[in-house]
Amino acid sequence: AQSVTQPDIHITVSEGASLELRCNYSYGATPYLFWYVQSPGQGLQLLLKYFSGDTLVQGIKGFEAEFKRSQSSFNLRKPSVHWSDAAEYFCAVGGNNAGNMLTFGGGTRLMVKP
Amino acid sequence: GAGVSQSPRYKVAKRGQDVALRCDPISGHVSLFWYQQALGQGPEFLTYFQNEAQLDKSGLPSDRFFAERPEGSVSTLKIQRTQQEDSAVYLCASSRRPPVATDTQYFGPGTRLTVL
Repeated sequence: AQSVTQPDIHITVSEGASLELRCNYSYGATPYLFWYVQSPGQGLQLLLKYFSGDTLVQGIKGFEAEFKRSQSSFNLRKPSVHWSDAAEYFCAVGGNNAGNMLTFGGGTRLMVKP
Repeated sequence: GAGVSQSPRYKVAKRGQDVALRCDPISGHVSLFWYQQALGQGPEFLTYFQNEAQLDKSGLPSDRFFAERPEGSVSTLKIQRTQQEDSAVYLCASSRRPPVATDTQYFGPGTRLTVL
């Protein structure tokens, strides 16, 4: 069965500092990996996704993520955080199975200090 | 264009009441998914539809949960005899094509259900 672990429940960074959110997955075949962001009262918004090819993926809002098969990781990064990035971030894995349901991690809540 | 919409946004029910949660997917989207998000946790899959066909309902937690999409567009998630453990945000998502791993799921804002 596929699973996703986000080891950090809360992270606080200063505005302008760099950010890395960790994600580890368990999946038997080549995973399809996603990062979503959820702001209060909002639905989940897709930041980026990885299916194949270049292991460094660029997304919206200046985010990027790197797929590392050897570490079963798909960490999300941003070089300079803005106050508006404060939100909850979810890593998810989907597979080439019927239905394409996503399996989500528990989320990381990002707080940004001025 | 309009995104996925859900109604009501908030629902308070007394234990034992039945509730119905509505999802309007993006127009023309073939696939529709329901997820349950408990407080402080990530969303968990409940069920999905391809057009009007419910192809997987393995995530529904009990037979009190029922979902339908009779005309292949709007979907309703019904919970009978609600229990306190049903309190959660219920998220709906749609995608353009029949379910494939590479197709983006677009999420609605969710319905927050509180069972007293």
